[in-house]
Amino acid sequence: EAQVTQNPRYLITVTGKKLTVTCSQNMNHEYMSWYRQDPGLGLRQIYYSMNVEVTDKGDVPEGYKVSRKEKRNFPLILESPSPNQTSLYFCASSRSAETGGPYEQYFGPGTRLTVT
Amino acid sequence: QQPVQSPQAVILREGEDAVINCSSSKALYSVHWYRQKHGEAPVFLMILLKGGEQKGHEKISASFNEKKQQSSLYLTASQLSYSGTYFCGTDDNYGQNFVFGPGTRLSVLP
Repeated sequence: EAQVTQNPRYLITVTGKKLTVTCSQNMNHEYMSWYRQDPGLGLRQIYYSMNVEVTDKGDVPEGYKVSRKEKRNFPLILESPSPNQTSLYFCASSRSAETGGPYEQYFGPGTRLTVT
Repeated sequence: QQPVQSPQAVILREGEDAVINCSSSKALYSVHWYRQKHGEAPVFLMILLKGGEQKGHEKISASFNEKKQQSSLYLTASQLSYSGTYFCGTDDNYGQNFVFGPGTRLSVLP
């Protein structure tokens, strides 16, 4: 079954404690992306990757890191989480359009993060 | 820059039609439409590409006016299952600036 998996689904942590949210896809997609969703603000892109070892900042990259060492995995790292990073996070993957950007994106189930 | 969506919210009765609009201030390569139900992940509905190619849902249609950088999503004979928040997403810089709009909340009542 084609899918995007994220772990963990729920996480409560404390300020400053490093954490990683994993994302994996089994569709051999080139394009992967992380979004955060907050009430009234829609889906905002954090980072994206057009292929292995190619990553770039989205609209709200501050406080986050990513890596793309393998095509299927795109982990999101919060090295020193703060309460303003409390949010719902989605990972998505897509084959690439001619431009290198996303085609139809498949979203993971989401990770609800609370930072106290 | 985030595209603008209108209306912000709409309430329909089953069987009625709705139109959701999306506009950008920048020249667009593609417009994407997604639907998100409460507590779930967004689901792809349709993509419209510069030049006229489109791919999407059987019962939902859309248009893309490249000159005006506008797209409209048409929901005809709405069903209860159409309820949710609809997001447009725009790609205006060859994949390097994909951004979602703020969403339109659609409620379909029996």
